[in-house]
Amino acid sequence: DIQMTQSPSSLSASVGDRVTITCRASQSISTYLNWYQQKPGKAPKLLIYVASSLQSGVPSRFSGSGSGTDFTLTISSLQPEDFATYYCQQTYTTPRTFGQGTNVEIK
Amino acid sequence: EVQLVESGGGLIQPGGSLRLSCAASGFTVSSHYMSWVRQAPGKGLEWVSVIYSGGSTYYADSVKGRFTISRDTSKNTLYLQMNSLRAEDTAVYYCAIGWDWFDPWGQGTLVTVSS
Repeated sequence: DIQMTQSPSSLSASVGDRVTITCRASQSISTYLNWYQQKPGKAPKLLIYVASSLQSGVPSRFSGSGSGTDFTLTISSLQPEDFATYYCQQTYTTPRTFGQGTNVEIK
Repeated sequence: EVQLVESGGGLIQPGGSLRLSCAASGFTVSSHYMSWVRQAPGKGLEWVSVIYSGGSTYYADSVKGRFTISRDTSKNTLYLQMNSLRAEDTAVYYCAIGWDWFDPWGQGTLVTVSS
């Protein structure tokens, strides 16, 4: 199975900050990498697919980059509604695997 | 509007069985890849199973031989039959459209396996 490792596991940031979350795959996954946002008690929501494609309706302050084994999710200017947990997911092979999550908290 | 609504969760004793349903509207289940993903309390996301539009099915090793994914085209509903349940199967179970990425997701249904 491909292991997905996110860093950091949690971070504290202020409204307006630029936030970067990293996801590393245990082997190359090309650009088969997605990012999800999950708020407490809610289902995950797709933000970014195939590493850098913004899902329809997602604000442009979210962006994704990377290929191979190293990927990043960037929030250019953190907004109050962005405080949540973020997960990366590889869809290069079966089983589909997720990172452990990054909890973005209010500083 | 595309919508997924899960049901069927609840409290079940170890070794018991439960069938989860995912009622779909706004699209045809049999025309899409459909997945189940679960999340144990306070934990991360774990993919459970997928059914391809062509009918092929795949499972995570942790549930293989115990869980069965299926669909009913007349009811436009996805199912997850869960047998021989264990405490470690306790989780919120989500259905979702897709295989290359999962979107959208249902609201989830909680399964608690405990005596």
